[in-house]
Amino acid sequence: GAVVSQHPSWVICKSGTSVKIECRSLDFQATTMFWYRQFPKQSLMLMATSNEGSKATYEQGVEKDKFLINHASLTLSTLTVTSAHPEDSSFYICSATPGQLNEQFFGPGTRLTVL
Amino acid sequence: GDSVTQMEGPVTLSEEAFLTINCTYTATGYPSLFWYVQYPGEGLQLLLKATKADDKGSNKGFEATYRKETTSFHLEKGSVQVSDSAVYFCALSDRGGGGADGLTFGKGTHLIIQP
Repeated sequence: GAVVSQHPSWVICKSGTSVKIECRSLDFQATTMFWYRQFPKQSLMLMATSNEGSKATYEQGVEKDKFLINHASLTLSTLTVTSAHPEDSSFYICSATPGQLNEQFFGPGTRLTVL
Repeated sequence: GDSVTQMEGPVTLSEEAFLTINCTYTATGYPSLFWYVQYPGEGLQLLLKATKADDKGSNKGFEATYRKETTSFHLEKGSVQVSDSAVYFCALSDRGGGGADGLTFGKGTHLIIQP
């Protein structure tokens, strides 16, 4: 089946630093990737949609200068949390799809803790 | 905006018991509806889906029927197994298609099956 990986699975960083999270589709080409954020005991919230080679589309209320998304190839998207603060601590999940008529395949998530 | 409401967990059942996890939604138009399952340490996996009213999605003994009149998509299984222990998420997409769009999720229901 389609596999999506994320790296790292867990990261701890100091306040003010930037953190990059990678999302890879391992056995298919992903025309579209999505980034979600999940707080404890809360639902996944869609942050942005990215299509390969174009700028990401951010959901209302998500700061695009804070959460930089790059979808440079059909198998890789990155989320960079810039100048991270403790309130950015969360579980970040990506998903990828090979096309409009196909389902999304989810990565296992990355837990970010900002001290 | 769109929203999904599902019963809070954890839900604890004995093996072979009947399972119902309630899910209701609010959305514009005619959304597609999904159930995802997340096993410990893994990414979300699509369990079943329905794209129009009265459709029934089914997989691995689980079923859910798209009820437009009650805006519901309750998940059921006749006889649960210990291996069904996981977190179940109800979700919708109101942008058409089969799921290759940003999803709106419920908070998730943690299901625990005891032998």
